[in-house]
Amino acid sequence: SQKIEQNSEALNIQEGKTATLTCNYTNYSPAYLQWYRQDPGRGPVFLLLIRENEKEKRKERLKVTFDTTLKQSLFHITASQPADSATYLCAHSGGSSNTGKLIFGQGTTLQVKP
Amino acid sequence: GAGVSQTPSNKVTEKGKYVELRCDPISGHTALYWYRQSLGQGPEFLIYFQGTGAADDSGLPNDRFFAVRPEGSVSTLKIQRTERGDSAVYLCASSLSPGAYEQYFGPGTRLTVT
Repeated sequence: SQKIEQNSEALNIQEGKTATLTCNYTNYSPAYLQWYRQDPGRGPVFLLLIRENEKEKRKERLKVTFDTTLKQSLFHITASQPADSATYLCAHSGGSSNTGKLIFGQGTTLQVKP
Repeated sequence: GAGVSQTPSNKVTEKGKYVELRCDPISGHTALYWYRQSLGQGPEFLIYFQGTGAADDSGLPNDRFFAVRPEGSVSTLKIQRTERGDSAVYLCASSLSPGAYEQYFGPGTRLTVT
Protein backbone atom coordinates (compact mmCIF):
# COMPACT_ATOMS: atom_id res chain seq x y z
CA SER A 1 0.00 0.00 0.00
CA GLN A 2 1.06 3.62 -0.40
CA LYS A 3 2.38 4.42 3.05
CA ILE A 4 3.82 7.65 4.32
CA GLU A 5 5.06 8.00 7.86
CA GLN A 6 5.89 10.89 10.12
CA ASN A 7 7.14 10.81 13.67
CA SER A 8 3.96 10.74 15.72
CA GLU A 9 5.74 11.94 18.84
CA ALA A 10 5.56 15.66 19.47
CA LEU A 11 8.74 17.65 18.90
CA ASN A 12 9.59 20.17 21.60
CA ILE A 13 12.34 22.71 20.97
CA GLN A 14 13.57 25.99 22.33
CA GLU A 15 12.88 29.26 20.51
CA GLY A 16 15.68 30.15 18.10
CA LYS A 17 16.70 26.56 17.42
CA THR A 18 16.18 24.68 14.15
CA ALA A 19 13.30 22.23 14.06
CA THR A 20 13.71 19.19 11.79
CA LEU A 21 10.74 16.99 10.93
CA THR A 22 10.97 13.70 9.04
CA CYS A 23 8.71 12.13 6.45
CA ASN A 24 9.35 8.59 5.14
CA TYR A 25 7.51 6.79 2.39
CA THR A 26 7.58 3.22 1.12
CA ASN A 27 6.77 1.08 -1.86
CA TYR A 28 7.32 3.51 -4.70
CA SER A 29 8.54 6.99 -5.59
CA PRO A 30 6.06 9.85 -5.69
CA ALA A 31 6.33 12.56 -8.31
CA TYR A 32 6.29 15.24 -5.62
CA LEU A 33 5.86 15.89 -1.93
CA GLN A 34 4.01 18.70 -0.22
CA TRP A 35 4.23 20.04 3.31
CA TYR A 36 1.28 21.64 5.10
CA ARG A 37 0.78 23.33 8.45
CA GLN A 38 -2.37 22.69 10.46
CA ASP A 39 -3.51 24.64 13.51
CA PRO A 40 -6.18 23.21 15.87
CA GLY A 41 -9.67 23.48 14.46
CA ARG A 42 -8.48 24.63 11.04
CA GLY A 43 -7.78 23.10 7.67
CA PRO A 44 -4.21 22.47 6.50
CA VAL A 45 -2.32 25.39 4.92
CA PHE A 46 0.14 24.76 2.09
CA LEU A 47 3.80 25.54 2.79
CA LEU A 48 6.08 23.99 0.18
CA LEU A 49 6.09 21.57 -2.76
CA ILE A 50 9.19 19.69 -3.89
CA ARG A 51 9.40 17.57 -7.03
CA GLU A 52 11.27 14.29 -7.44
CA ASN A 53 14.00 15.92 -9.52
CA GLU A 54 14.65 18.62 -6.89
CA LYS A 55 16.92 17.97 -3.94
CA GLU A 56 16.05 21.05 -1.92
CA LYS A 57 13.52 23.89 -1.78
CA ARG A 58 13.57 26.99 0.41
CA LYS A 59 11.06 29.60 1.44
CA GLU A 60 12.05 32.18 4.02
CA ARG A 61 12.90 30.21 7.20
CA LEU A 62 11.67 26.93 5.73
CA LYS A 63 13.70 24.32 3.89
CA VAL A 64 12.59 20.99 2.48
CA THR A 65 14.79 18.21 1.12
CA PHE A 66 13.77 15.20 -0.94
CA ASP A 67 16.00 12.12 -1.00
CA THR A 68 14.55 9.57 -3.43
CA THR A 69 17.24 7.03 -2.52
CA LEU A 70 16.37 7.09 1.17
CA LYS A 71 12.66 7.64 0.34
CA GLN A 72 12.66 10.50 2.79
CA SER A 73 11.87 14.21 3.04
CA LEU A 74 13.16 16.48 5.78
CA PHE A 75 11.44 19.72 6.74
CA HIS A 76 13.47 22.35 8.57
CA ILE A 77 12.36 25.54 10.31
CA THR A 78 15.32 27.73 11.21
CA ALA A 79 15.26 30.35 13.98
CA SER A 80 12.03 28.81 15.26
CA GLN A 81 9.45 30.97 17.02
CA PRO A 82 6.56 30.11 19.36
CA ALA A 83 4.23 31.08 16.48
CA ASP A 84 5.64 28.11 14.53
CA SER A 85 3.95 25.75 17.02
CA ALA A 86 1.48 23.65 15.02
CA THR A 87 1.06 20.23 13.42
CA TYR A 88 3.02 19.74 10.22
CA LEU A 89 1.76 17.32 7.60
CA CYS A 90 3.71 15.67 4.83
CA ALA A 91 1.80 14.48 1.76
CA HIS A 92 2.73 12.81 -1.48
CA SER A 93 1.11 12.37 -4.83
CA GLY A 94 0.80 8.62 -4.71
CA GLY A 95 1.36 6.82 -7.96
CA SER A 96 -0.14 9.56 -10.08
CA SER A 97 1.35 12.96 -10.72
CA ASN A 98 -1.61 14.37 -12.61
CA THR A 99 -4.64 14.19 -10.32
CA GLY A 100 -3.46 16.02 -7.25
CA LYS A 101 -4.78 13.29 -4.96
CA LEU A 102 -2.68 13.52 -1.82
CA ILE A 103 -1.75 10.81 0.64
CA PHE A 104 -0.94 12.34 4.01
CA GLY A 105 1.19 11.25 6.91
CA GLN A 106 -0.28 11.42 10.39
CA GLY A 107 1.48 14.70 11.14
CA THR A 108 4.07 15.79 13.67
CA THR A 109 3.18 18.34 16.34
CA LEU A 110 5.85 20.95 16.94
CA GLN A 111 5.96 22.94 20.17
CA VAL A 112 8.39 25.87 20.29
CA LYS A 113 9.00 27.10 23.81
CA PRO A 114 9.97 30.76 24.47
CA GLY B 1 -10.62 36.89 -2.26
CA ALA B 2 -12.64 34.35 -0.39
CA GLY B 3 -11.13 31.02 0.47
CA VAL B 4 -12.77 27.63 0.52
CA SER B 5 -15.86 27.59 2.68
CA GLN B 6 -17.68 24.63 4.17
CA THR B 7 -21.08 24.37 5.78
CA PRO B 8 -22.13 23.49 8.34
CA SER B 9 -19.10 23.87 10.58
CA ASN B 10 -20.55 21.30 12.97
CA LYS B 11 -23.16 18.63 12.42
CA VAL B 12 -24.53 16.27 15.05
CA THR B 13 -26.78 13.52 13.79
CA GLU B 14 -28.24 10.27 15.00
CA LYS B 15 -27.06 6.92 13.76
CA GLY B 16 -28.96 5.90 10.65
CA LYS B 17 -29.75 9.44 9.47
CA TYR B 18 -28.75 11.06 6.17
CA VAL B 19 -26.42 14.08 6.07
CA GLU B 20 -25.18 16.50 3.43
CA LEU B 21 -21.98 18.49 3.73
CA ARG B 22 -21.37 21.43 1.42
CA CYS B 23 -18.17 22.85 -0.03
CA ASP B 24 -17.71 26.17 -1.87
CA PRO B 25 -14.31 26.12 -3.58
CA ILE B 26 -12.27 29.11 -4.64
CA SER B 27 -13.74 30.63 -7.78
CA GLY B 28 -12.00 29.35 -10.90
CA HIS B 29 -10.50 26.28 -9.28
CA THR B 30 -11.32 23.29 -11.46
CA ALA B 31 -10.08 20.59 -9.11
CA LEU B 32 -11.96 19.80 -5.89
CA TYR B 33 -11.09 17.20 -3.27
CA TRP B 34 -12.79 15.73 -0.23
CA TYR B 35 -10.77 14.31 2.65
CA ARG B 36 -11.72 12.90 6.03
CA GLN B 37 -9.62 13.47 9.13
CA SER B 38 -9.86 11.56 12.40
CA LEU B 39 -8.32 12.81 15.62
CA GLY B 40 -4.56 12.55 15.61
CA GLN B 41 -4.40 11.45 11.98
CA GLY B 42 -3.66 13.13 8.70
CA PRO B 43 -6.40 13.78 6.16
CA GLU B 44 -7.52 10.68 4.23
CA PHE B 45 -8.46 11.09 0.58
CA LEU B 46 -12.08 10.36 -0.35
CA ILE B 47 -12.86 11.71 -3.84
CA TYR B 48 -11.55 14.10 -6.48
CA PHE B 49 -13.54 16.12 -9.03
CA GLN B 50 -12.20 17.64 -12.20
CA GLY B 51 -14.96 19.99 -13.30
CA THR B 52 -18.30 18.26 -12.87
CA GLY B 53 -17.08 14.69 -12.99
CA ALA B 54 -15.68 12.52 -10.25
CA ALA B 55 -12.28 11.60 -11.68
CA ASP B 56 -11.23 9.43 -8.74
CA ASP B 57 -13.57 8.11 -6.06
CA SER B 58 -11.29 5.34 -4.87
CA GLY B 59 -11.20 6.71 -1.33
CA LEU B 60 -14.92 6.51 -0.64
CA PRO B 61 -15.21 3.85 2.08
CA ASN B 62 -18.46 2.26 0.86
CA ASP B 63 -21.63 2.94 -1.10
CA ARG B 64 -23.18 4.96 1.71
CA PHE B 65 -20.90 7.82 0.64
CA PHE B 66 -21.60 9.82 -2.49
CA ALA B 67 -20.54 13.25 -3.74
CA VAL B 68 -21.69 15.53 -6.54
CA ARG B 69 -20.51 18.71 -8.21
CA PRO B 70 -23.27 19.38 -10.78
CA GLU B 71 -22.09 22.77 -12.07
CA GLY B 72 -18.38 22.41 -11.57
CA SER B 73 -18.17 24.66 -8.53
CA VAL B 74 -20.06 23.82 -5.31
CA SER B 75 -19.83 20.21 -4.18
CA THR B 76 -21.95 18.22 -1.76
CA LEU B 77 -20.79 15.12 0.10
CA LYS B 78 -23.72 12.90 1.01
CA ILE B 79 -23.67 10.17 3.63
CA GLN B 80 -26.59 7.77 3.96
CA ARG B 81 -27.44 5.64 7.01
CA THR B 82 -24.72 7.27 9.08
CA GLU B 83 -22.73 5.15 11.51
CA ARG B 84 -20.78 6.17 14.60
CA GLY B 85 -17.57 5.34 12.73
CA ASP B 86 -18.35 8.12 10.26
CA SER B 87 -17.64 10.70 12.97
CA ALA B 88 -14.70 12.80 11.81
CA VAL B 89 -13.80 16.17 10.34
CA TYR B 90 -14.60 16.30 6.65
CA LEU B 91 -12.27 18.62 4.75
CA CYS B 92 -12.74 20.05 1.31
CA ALA B 93 -9.88 21.43 -0.78
CA SER B 94 -9.61 23.03 -4.19
CA SER B 95 -6.75 23.73 -6.54
CA LEU B 96 -6.28 25.72 -9.72
CA SER B 97 -5.71 22.57 -11.70
CA PRO B 98 -5.13 18.90 -10.93
CA GLY B 99 -1.58 17.74 -10.44
CA ALA B 100 1.34 19.33 -8.66
CA TYR B 101 -0.46 22.39 -7.35
CA GLU B 102 -1.03 23.55 -3.84
CA GLN B 103 -4.40 22.70 -2.40
CA TYR B 104 -6.45 25.25 -0.48
CA PHE B 105 -8.40 23.69 2.35
CA GLY B 106 -11.59 24.80 3.97
CA PRO B 107 -12.04 24.79 7.75
CA GLY B 108 -13.85 21.47 7.67
CA THR B 109 -17.17 20.15 8.91
CA ARG B 110 -17.03 18.27 12.19
CA LEU B 111 -19.52 15.41 11.93
CA THR B 112 -20.60 13.62 15.09
CA VAL B 113 -22.85 10.59 14.82
CA THR B 114 -24.51 9.67 18.13
